[in-house]
Amino acid sequence: DADVTQTPRNRITKTGKRIMLECSQTKGHDRMYWYRQDPGLGLQLIYYSFDVKDINKGEISDGYSVSRQAQAKFSLSLESAIPNQTALYFCATSPGPTTGELFFGEGSRLTVL
Amino acid sequence: DQQVKQNSPSLSVQEGRISILNCDYTNSMFDYFLWYKKYPAEGPTFLISISSIKDKNEDGRFTVFLNKSAKHLSLHIVPSQPGDSAVYFCAASAYSGYALNFGKGTSLLVTP
Repeated sequence: DADVTQTPRNRITKTGKRIMLECSQTKGHDRMYWYRQDPGLGLQLIYYSFDVKDINKGEISDGYSVSRQAQAKFSLSLESAIPNQTALYFCATSPGPTTGELFFGEGSRLTVL
Repeated sequence: DQQVKQNSPSLSVQEGRISILNCDYTNSMFDYFLWYKKYPAEGPTFLISISSIKDKNEDGRFTVFLNKSAKHLSLHIVPSQPGDSAVYFCAASAYSGYALNFGKGTSLLVTP
């Protein structure tokens, strides 16, 4: 089983719908992240959380919100999805200061029609 | 504003030859650098890293070189193998504790 699990893996939705992407991890890491990948744009940070009570905006947080329900769970919500939020979304974890490795989930592909 | 830049979107190399992937950064506060490898339909996986106190780090066929004065790093793969075909992301962080900044990636194709 994957250490970082994302659900759903694929989702097609319509403009204006609320969407939640969920991430759970079994690595015991305090730090969790949501990244978005667009073709030709690499990985862009949406939100990150260093512990359950610490939530921070990344470089592209507009239109997104997050919830850190527990150390192991970090969900990303699109309150009202729009087509330019069509992308591949990755959840990642790390054990401590971000000088080290990030462990990524397999990704959630979201299409907004 | 992209602080980590990978200016070559793609690279094609013959099997057995050297692959050199380049990365430039603009933020002088960055002092830890990582390379990630991504296959289709999978998440990125960590490959190799280097801190700013070093100018070279080697792990098997993979070597990363850091030139701080030029704000440039490179990943060398020798010899290249078809299984190395993937997208390679360069990433950087500062010891301030912020999350990693990623480049746009370079797609490497190693041909037999």
